[in-house]
Amino acid sequence: GENVEQHPSTLSVQEGDSAVIKCTYSDSASNYFPWYKQELGKGPQLIIDIRSNVGEKKDQRIAVTLNKTAKHFSLHITETQPEDSAVYFCAASYSGGGADGLTFGKGTHLIIQP
Amino acid sequence: DVKVTQSSRYLVKRTGEKVFLECVQDMDHENMFWYRQDPGLGLRLIYFSYDVKMKEKGDIPEGYSVSREKKERFSLILESASTNQTSMYLCASSLEGSGANVLTFGAGSRLTVL
Repeated sequence: GENVEQHPSTLSVQEGDSAVIKCTYSDSASNYFPWYKQELGKGPQLIIDIRSNVGEKKDQRIAVTLNKTAKHFSLHITETQPEDSAVYFCAASYSGGGADGLTFGKGTHLIIQP
Repeated sequence: DVKVTQSSRYLVKRTGEKVFLECVQDMDHENMFWYRQDPGLGLRLIYFSYDVKMKEKGDIPEGYSVSREKKERFSLILESASTNQTSMYLCASSLEGSGANVLTFGAGSRLTVL
């Protein structure tokens, strides 16, 4: 089955700096890669996703890049703000399957230092 | 606004007790899921359901059962709670078809078993 590795487990950056979280996956059939953000006391929420027919996708200050050859994808947050502090999860699956096929990384706790 | 509601945010139970965790979604989603979240282990799928009265085992079903008598409601049951089931439990739902991989999560139920 799919295996998703996520690094780092904790990331501390100064407010205004950029943050990068990296994930690798094992199953070459995976073609859907979402990122979820979990704020304190809340459930995870989808913030951005990418499918394997594109290499990069942006939404304001966040972007995701995908390298299918190397089987890794990354979340980039620019101009970090205090509200970016949260736990971020990457995931991978085959988009033709159901959500039971989603394999999550172990999460990254992003801390934005004032 | 779409919503997944978990009725109990915090529960404290004793070893051997039967525990019910309830989840209701108001989005008419076909798919519902129960995940367990533990520090350093990420999100692990316990059970899921693609339709009323249907259930499928996830990655860690041992010690749990589920019930889906109505489309909007998915219950997680711990028949005899044990201390190693102390955890955060997250319910999620998704559409069928192309939206099946996009999960909407509830806020979570934190269970402590003494």
